[in-house]
Amino acid sequence: EAGVTQSPTHLIKTRGQQATLRCSPISGHTSVYWYQQALGLGLQFLLWYDEGEERNRGNFPPRFSGRQFPNYSSELNVNALELEDSALYLCASRWTGSDTQYFGPGTRLTVL
Amino acid sequence: AQRVTQPEKLLSVFKGAPVELKCNYSYSGSPELFWYVQYSRQRLQLLLRHISRESIKGFTADLNKGETSFHLKKPFAQEEDSAMYYCALSVEGTYKYIFGTGTRLKVLA
Repeated sequence: EAGVTQSPTHLIKTRGQQATLRCSPISGHTSVYWYQQALGLGLQFLLWYDEGEERNRGNFPPRFSGRQFPNYSSELNVNALELEDSALYLCASRWTGSDTQYFGPGTRLTVL
Repeated sequence: AQRVTQPEKLLSVFKGAPVELKCNYSYSGSPELFWYVQYSRQRLQLLLRHISRESIKGFTADLNKGETSFHLKKPFAQEEDSAMYYCALSVEGTYKYIFGTGTRLKVLA
């Protein structure tokens, strides 16, 4: 069974630009979670999508947004990039009948 | 407040020695707790969940509601146990995780 996949592996942007990160969940999983792992700050919850809807968001500004597609894959968009957005962004998926999340390898975003 | 605390950033033990990675939580509801492990250059993977009460790779963890702890233990550390370990709390309703800051375990030969 294929695991959670994320693309791209690395992304380099400059301040003010927009970044788009993608995630494909495990087949059969309808929930997708996004986390930010910034240096010194640990893993912070960003967003939760389920059945195509945003269900919950963490303490992040509105320039962090995303969506979930009918095939349950998801995009995370970060607008007006700031230097402190440089981090590893992890996506995780979950099956409806469980509270266990399965993580992708992450996308490393570097903002110059 | 919802919080997970892993007090040790780094824990070094010798091969064959017992290991205990500490995790304390603060949560008003009924806690669902997990341990995840990240080996070098690999993704975060589930090690244990408290509800299953199983032993994986020789590791066990017991939920102590009185002490609000979920410490991870292994009686005899192996070099391949060297990794980053994260304790996580699943929040009721959303199932989002609150993570601790992680503990790096180094098992010395």
